[in-house]
Amino acid sequence: DAGITQSPRHKVTETGTPVTLRCHQTENHRYMYWYRQDPGHGLRLIHYSYGVKDTDKGEVSDGYSVSRSKTEDFLLTLESATSSQTSVYFCAISRVDTDTQYFGPGTRLTVL
Amino acid sequence: ILNVEQSPQSLHVQEGDSTNFTCSFPSSNFYALHWYRWETAKSPEALFVMTLNGDEKKKGRISATLNTKEGYSYLYIKGSQPEDSATYLCAFMGPGAGGGADGLTFGKGTHLIIQP
Repeated sequence: DAGITQSPRHKVTETGTPVTLRCHQTENHRYMYWYRQDPGHGLRLIHYSYGVKDTDKGEVSDGYSVSRSKTEDFLLTLESATSSQTSVYFCAISRVDTDTQYFGPGTRLTVL
Repeated sequence: ILNVEQSPQSLHVQEGDSTNFTCSFPSSNFYALHWYRWETAKSPEALFVMTLNGDEKKKGRISATLNTKEGYSYLYIKGSQPEDSATYLCAFMGPGAGGGADGLTFGKGTHLIIQP
């Protein structure tokens, strides 16, 4: 599992509230990613990071921000959650020697 | 937005039969093509990362080929078993920021059901 944990694993929140999801890794990987998984869309990239304080947008970044102040933590923030952000969120790291991405266990977020 | 297509969407196969499915992707700005196996309620599990045209990779009864010039990859499963039932995802990786590889653009997957 490449030492990836996500917290919380499940969250129910209300429209308009801020939400922060945390991805933590223990193996000092440089590249980290946030994806969302929705029926009919598969996995889509939200944001990614290629180092501390270095981040970039993915395909579906609107409504999301990220921060990476330490190598081990990559935070995904929904500033004002909407029902369209109800989804399962996966964090991933990339091993640079093989380019293989390994995924965390996922966070199921429900926005009412 | 990159277009990564997988076919078929779903597939029912008898136990013991062999099967294959397709991933098509952009042939320009190619860095790597990934295959993942995804079981319900679990995280995607990496099968292969393929980078060179003509690459063939094998893991047990599962193998994959890559054609970067025409933009397609095939995944083959030989002698399907019930435990092969899963969704198989392919994902395109292009060159990206920071001098390293970009995030993945996934296809929607092929949902494989092995019938005993």
